[in-house]
Amino acid sequence: GAVVSQHPSRVICKSGTSVKIECRSLDFQATTMFWYRQFPKQSLMLMATSNEGSKATYEQGVEKDKFLINHASLTLSTLTVTSAHPEDSSFYICSARGLTPTVSGANVLTFGAGSRLTVL
Amino acid sequence: AQTVTQSQPEMSVQEAETVTLSCTYDTSESNYYLFWYKQPPSRQMILVIRQEAYKQQNATENRFSVNFQKAAKSFSLKISDSQLGDTAMYFCAFIQGAQKLVFGQGTRLTINP
Repeated sequence: GAVVSQHPSRVICKSGTSVKIECRSLDFQATTMFWYRQFPKQSLMLMATSNEGSKATYEQGVEKDKFLINHASLTLSTLTVTSAHPEDSSFYICSARGLTPTVSGANVLTFGAGSRLTVL
Repeated sequence: AQTVTQSQPEMSVQEAETVTLSCTYDTSESNYYLFWYKQPPSRQMILVIRQEAYKQQNATENRFSVNFQKAAKSFSLKISDSQLGDTAMYFCAFIQGAQKLVFGQGTRLTINP
C-alpha cells in the first residue's frame, strides 16, 4: 500500500532557530501534499496545501513566512518552521494524495507518522 | 463550505461489545467521499473505512461497517466485537473532488477489558 515517511518524528530546538520537517511518498507520486497541526486532544487543523512545482496555499490565519512549505518534487514536501518559539510547539502531520492502484479512479490520502516539535 | 460534526467527544464500551460512532456532514455537492480514520496513542492516522457517495451500498471492512444515509447526510461507524486495540481517537472526514480533507472534531473511544 501507499506509504508516507515523515522525519524527524521528534525534534527539540531552541527558541529562535529553524526546524525542517520532511514528508516523502515512498511508493507513489504525490501531486498534492497537505500539512496539518494537531494540538493535544484536538482534531487536525489544515495549515497548507502544496502542489508540486507551485506555491503552497495557506489556510486563513497561518503565517506563510513562519511556516515555509516547499514541494520540489513529486515525492518530497518540506515544512520549515522559521524562528521557532515555544508557542510553535505542536504535533505536525503531513499527508499525500496520489492515485493508488488499489482504488481505481479515486484518490486516498495517506498520512505520515507525524513530527512532535518542542521549542524550548 | 463543507463541515463535519461528531457529536460524541468520548465513548466507552466493554470489550466484545458493539459501538456506533456518529458523524454528520454538510455539503451541497452530490459526489464526494467519506472516511473514518483512527488515531491510536502512537498518533499515526490509519484509514479505517471509506465510502463513495454515489454508492448506495454501505462499506464494510471486517468488524467495521458504516451506515451511510445520504439524504440525512449521516455517516456512522459501527465497530462489532470491539477489541482493546480499537481504543483510539476516531475522526470522520469528508472530501470532494480535489479539495482538502475536512475532519470532524473526533471521538475518543475507550475499550475496557
